[in-house]
Amino acid sequence: AQKVTQAQTEISVVEKEDVTLDCVYETRDTTYYLFWYKQPPSGELVFLIRRNSFDEQNEISGRYSWNFQKSTSSFNFTITASQVVDSAVYFCALSEEDQAGTALIFGKGTTLSVSS
Amino acid sequence: DVKVTQSSRYLVKRTGEKVFLECVQDMDHENMFWYRQDPGLGLRLIYFSYDVKMKEKGDIPEGYSVSREKKERFSLILESASTNQTSMYLCASRSDRVLHEQYFGPGTRLTVT
Repeated sequence: AQKVTQAQTEISVVEKEDVTLDCVYETRDTTYYLFWYKQPPSGELVFLIRRNSFDEQNEISGRYSWNFQKSTSSFNFTITASQVVDSAVYFCALSEEDQAGTALIFGKGTTLSVSS
Repeated sequence: DVKVTQSSRYLVKRTGEKVFLECVQDMDHENMFWYRQDPGLGLRLIYFSYDVKMKEKGDIPEGYSVSREKKERFSLILESASTNQTSMYLCASRSDRVLHEQYFGPGTRLTVT
């Protein structure tokens, strides 16, 4: 069965600190996709990144970076030099197979609070 | 830009009322989804639709039904609202051509009193 675990329920940091959000997933499929979404206080889910199971390259986008490790079934998200605007709920999600109608399986989310 | 809109951002209904939550997408996406978001539980799939008039149950369909008469519109129906259906409801759509990238609407925060 597929599952996504975000063990950190809440994280509080001070501006300019680096912070890593953990995501561990379970799947029996060899082909799958992993995602991170951000949900700011406004409520709308904002897509951040998608990785497929065959691409283990780490990715960096500005202050954001993602570390995908199949050996540990983890897809961790690091924010460097955090800012107050990074305060949000962050969701990790999994999608299996490559078929129509496939829904996302979400973790329970990590609430990040960045104070000035 | 893909746009997914939901009819209301906030809604207050009474127990026993029939409630309609509407979702419209403007990118001709084949697949549409309704999720429910609760604190500490993340997002859970209620129903999805992969074509007009087609629907599939998700993880928590009890107490809900859906309707997809037109490709761009996917409605979530609470036949008789109950207080345990107080939640944030999120609609999403996805193309068959760009698999695995869902676009979400702004959400409807429903309160049932």
